[in-house]
Amino acid sequence: DTGVSQDPRHKITKRGQNVTFRCDPISEHNRLYWYRQTLGQGPEFLTYFQNEAQLEKSRLLSDRFSAERPKGSFSTLEIQRTEQGDSAMYLCASSEQLAGAIYEQYFGPGTRLTVT
Amino acid sequence: AQRVTQPEKLLSVFKGAPVELKCNYSYSGSPELFWYVQYSRQRLQLLLRHISRESIKGFTADLNKGETSFHLKKPFAQEEDSAMYYCALNQFYFGTGTSLTVIP
Repeated sequence: DTGVSQDPRHKITKRGQNVTFRCDPISEHNRLYWYRQTLGQGPEFLTYFQNEAQLEKSRLLSDRFSAERPKGSFSTLEIQRTEQGDSAMYLCASSEQLAGAIYEQYFGPGTRLTVT
Repeated sequence: AQRVTQPEKLLSVFKGAPVELKCNYSYSGSPELFWYVQYSRQRLQLLLRHISRESIKGFTADLNKGETSFHLKKPFAQEEDSAMYYCALNQFYFGTGTSLTVIP
């Protein structure tokens, strides 16, 4: 296992187009997180999954953002009708989750989105 | 609301000097606090967490609930410590980060 992977690493799109990013977590990790990071800021939490269940999505930035983890393995983050303000690095992380404890998150390399 | 404040965006120290990166948090419950580090061209990775009370790469951090702080310290900075450091609260809440440069 080579850690958390994300695809694509870079995406350039025109305003108004839809984009989808994929994250493959570490195989034994049941939690998966999505963050957005803009220049000069720390990771901003968007949503997370426990297996296939999306446990928090109120922090998704707008209804243009959605995420899925259909079989509890990989996840996708979709942004519809992209805007220039969506340009950012999108990070995925995964962790174990047992009995209410908080475990270390392992981060992927990120997908850099540029909206022109 | 849960919030993390890292007041210093940039911090420069000379090699061998002590370093302290500040982190303050806002949370009414019992916090879980972490320091993550990102070296140049590498992904974000955990440096240490308060619950383990370990020293990693010579860094330590003590949770001070009275001052709601979790400052990261190292007595003698090394050039390889130059990186971006993020304090995180309860898994989801990250500070804006401090860029540490260790001057040879």
